[in-house]
Amino acid sequence: GENVEQHPSTLSVQEGDSAVIKCTYSDSASNYFPWYKQELGKGPQLIIDIRSNVGEKKDQRIAVTLNKTAKHFSLHITETQPEDSAVYFCAASSLSGTYKYIFGTGTRLKVLA
Amino acid sequence: DAGITQSPRYKITETGRQVTLMCHQTWSHSYMFWYRQDLGHGLRLIYYSAAADITDKGEVPDGYVVSRSKTENFPLTLESATRSQTSVYFCASSDQGTPNTIYFGEGSWLTVV
Repeated sequence: GENVEQHPSTLSVQEGDSAVIKCTYSDSASNYFPWYKQELGKGPQLIIDIRSNVGEKKDQRIAVTLNKTAKHFSLHITETQPEDSAVYFCAASSLSGTYKYIFGTGTRLKVLA
Repeated sequence: DAGITQSPRYKITETGRQVTLMCHQTWSHSYMFWYRQDLGHGLRLIYYSAAADITDKGEVPDGYVVSRSKTENFPLTLESATRSQTSVYFCASSDQGTPNTIYFGEGSWLTVV
């Protein structure tokens, strides 16, 4: 069935360093790839997304890259800050049909001051 | 802007009891979803609804019942709670269109003892 694999499950970086989280999807029909940030005790919030007709998208310190051929996409956070500490989820979805997302299992990011 | 609200936020119940988790959204979004979040599994879709009176099963629907008599409400009922249903439950909504960003509620922590 459809699957999204996410790595690593935990990631610790020093403040100011970069963090990279990678996801691989299985469904070739997937064409929309959002990333969510979940802070402790809260619901996931969208931080950036990318569609399959784009290879890269940036928003300040956050960027997402997509390789459709290899079916993988990555989240890049530069100049990490303590407030970036959270759990990050990737997801894959088709923009047509039933609007169902397949989520990765999450990455717990710790930014060490 | 109330957005999407869930109640109760925290609930302890006994095995075999019926429990209903409420979800209300103020955006008039067409789609609503129920996810459960468990360690090692990420977010898994229980049920979703494309519009009032239209519901469909997700990845893990067994033991759950939903209804959607009004666009803004999407209650989730555990007919006879089991310990395996101890989890964090997230309601979410999405407007029809592209991109289909999903907005999550704050979550309901359910413990079945």
